[in-house]
Amino acid sequence: DIQMTQSPSSLSASVGDRVTITCQASQDISNYLNWYQQKPGKAPKLLIYDASNLETGVPSRFSGSGSGTDFTFTISSLQPEDIATYYCQQYDNLLQGMYTFGQGTKLEIK
Amino acid sequence: EVQLVESGGGLVQPGGSLKLSCAASGFTFSGSAMHWVRQASGKGLEWVGRIRSKANSYATAYAASVKGRFTISRDDSKNTAYLQMNSLKTEDTAVYYCTRPNWGGFDYWGQGTLVTVSS
Repeated sequence: DIQMTQSPSSLSASVGDRVTITCQASQDISNYLNWYQQKPGKAPKLLIYDASNLETGVPSRFSGSGSGTDFTFTISSLQPEDIATYYCQQYDNLLQGMYTFGQGTKLEIK
Repeated sequence: EVQLVESGGGLVQPGGSLKLSCAASGFTFSGSAMHWVRQASGKGLEWVGRIRSKANSYATAYAASVKGRFTISRDDSKNTAYLQMNSLKTEDTAVYYCTRPNWGGFDYWGQGTLVTVSS
């Protein structure tokens, strides 16, 4: 099974800061990598799909990059409403269609 | 408007069974795979499994942690997906979400239903 290692597990930043989260796959997953935002008590929300594509309606301050095994998620200018936990997720589209989430990154305002 | 509504959660004893439902509307349910994802309190997201469409032979896949105990099915005439959970363990306690994939990402989610496995 493909394992996802997401870091850091928590992060404290100031409004306006650039924030970066990384996700590493245990094997090559091409660009089959998505990023989600989850606020307390709510279902996750898809932000980025296929590593770098912004989901419709998501602010442009969110972006993603990477391919193969190493991926990065960036918030260019942190806003108060971005306080949430962020997850990466891979999907094994070429084989059995299995999915794996990263451990999550809890983002707080400094 | 796409809507996914889970139901069927509750309290069950270890070793017991429970069947969750996910009622879908606002899209062509029969043409879409459906997935289940769970989240224990204070923990991260865990993919549980999925069922593909009739065109893809209703193929199912499961996480190793539930394989052999959980079964996903669907009734396209009712626009509903199901998660049958047998031999439940305390570690299965979680909020269970159904979700729809769109190009690999899950773009719509239900509100979740809480399953508590406890004696």
